[in-house]
Amino acid sequence: RKEVEQDPGPFNVPEGATVAFNCTYSNSASQSFFWYRQDCRKEPKLLMSVYSSGNEDGRFTAQLNRASQYISLLIRDSKLSDSATYLCVVNWRSGTYKYIFGTGTRLKVLA
Amino acid sequence: GAGVSQSPRYKVAKRGQDVALRCDPISGHVSLFWYQQALGQGPEFLTYFQNEAQLDKSGLPSDRFFAERPEGSVSTLKIQRTQQEDSAVYLCASSLVESSYNEQFFGPGTRLTVL
Repeated sequence: RKEVEQDPGPFNVPEGATVAFNCTYSNSASQSFFWYRQDCRKEPKLLMSVYSSGNEDGRFTAQLNRASQYISLLIRDSKLSDSATYLCVVNWRSGTYKYIFGTGTRLKVLA
Repeated sequence: GAGVSQSPRYKVAKRGQDVALRCDPISGHVSLFWYQQALGQGPEFLTYFQNEAQLDKSGLPSDRFFAERPEGSVSTLKIQRTQQEDSAVYLCASSLVESSYNEQFFGPGTRLTVL
């Protein structure tokens, strides 16, 4: 089983739709969680960190469920510019800090 | 510079050739990571430096891969006797301190193609 798993998609949604991605992780000692966004042929960039209480940044909401070991990302009112790959990242300490990336979920927002 | 820079941006190598990939992290960033990203996959961890010390090299796929950061700033990833399976994008990332909550800032990557 992979340490961090995501549905690769693609998710094709119309503009204005709400879309949700899930990500599961296997290490119960995981300490921190992130969503990164990666545009085609570009580097990953931090979208948001995920806090235990859940957090929101504009149209984006991230949730963490430690008991079930998954995190989610909800995008409301999708824009064409949201089209990208969304990478789930989990961090734990094993000697040093390890950042484990999921394979990413591709989102395409259609006009 | 404002961000992480990497050079070259593209590298084509013949099988068996040695290559060296350079990373200039954000000035003052203590932590530096190298990742390998194959097409359609997420970045896979290769190695981690805290200043000049290589604290984790567990992700290096073989002894043909070697990384260094001798003065705690610029880092070089060297691949000896390249193979076709080494073809990938090599990403460098830096963060301010070693912490589980710190954002990693990525460079644009070096796209390596081994023929």
